[in-house]
Amino acid sequence: AQKVTQAQTEISVVEKEDVTLDCVYETRDTTYYLFWYKQPPSGELVFLIRRNSFDEQNEISGRYSWNFQKSTSSFNFTITASQVVDSAVYFCALSDPQTGANNLFFGTGTRLTVIP
Amino acid sequence: DTAVSQTPKYLVTQMGNDKSIKCEQNLGHDTMYWYKQDSKKFLKIMFSYNNKELIINETVPNRFSPKSPDKAHLNLHINSLELGDSAVYFCASSRPSADTYEQYFGPGTRLTVT
Repeated sequence: AQKVTQAQTEISVVEKEDVTLDCVYETRDTTYYLFWYKQPPSGELVFLIRRNSFDEQNEISGRYSWNFQKSTSSFNFTITASQVVDSAVYFCALSDPQTGANNLFFGTGTRLTVIP
Repeated sequence: DTAVSQTPKYLVTQMGNDKSIKCEQNLGHDTMYWYKQDSKKFLKIMFSYNNKELIINETVPNRFSPKSPDKAHLNLHINSLELGDSAVYFCASSRPSADTYEQYFGPGTRLTVT
């Protein structure tokens, strides 16, 4: 069965600090996809990134970067020079395309608070 | 233009009532989903629909039934509402393909059962 663990329930940082959100997953499948979503206080779910199981390249998008390591089943998310607008709940998710529906299995989320 | 829309945004109702939440996507996607987010922010898949066919039902109570009049719509009907049904319900859509698997979510419907 699919499982996603986000061990950090809440994190607080001061603005401009770097912060890393951890994500560890479990799956028996060789083909799968990993995602990060952001849920700001307004409540919507915003897609941030998708990574397939065959691509272990790290990715950088502005202040955001992601580190995917299959050896440790981790897909960590780093925000550099955090800003108040980064305050949100961040979800890591795992999909199983072999089901034909690509259902997302979410972690419990990490609430990030950036203090000005 | 809104990609995935849901109505209503807020729904307050009494136990025992029957209610519906509507979802529409204008992305031309093949698959639509319903997720439930509880008070602890835990998100869980409820249903997924591909080309008007129910693919996976994640053992939700049969009081919940998805209905898809066409590929762009997936409505959620809930019968005999219970207090435990209070949650935020999110609709999502995606186009399963070799390259694109991300799901795009609607704004959510906050259901409160009193």
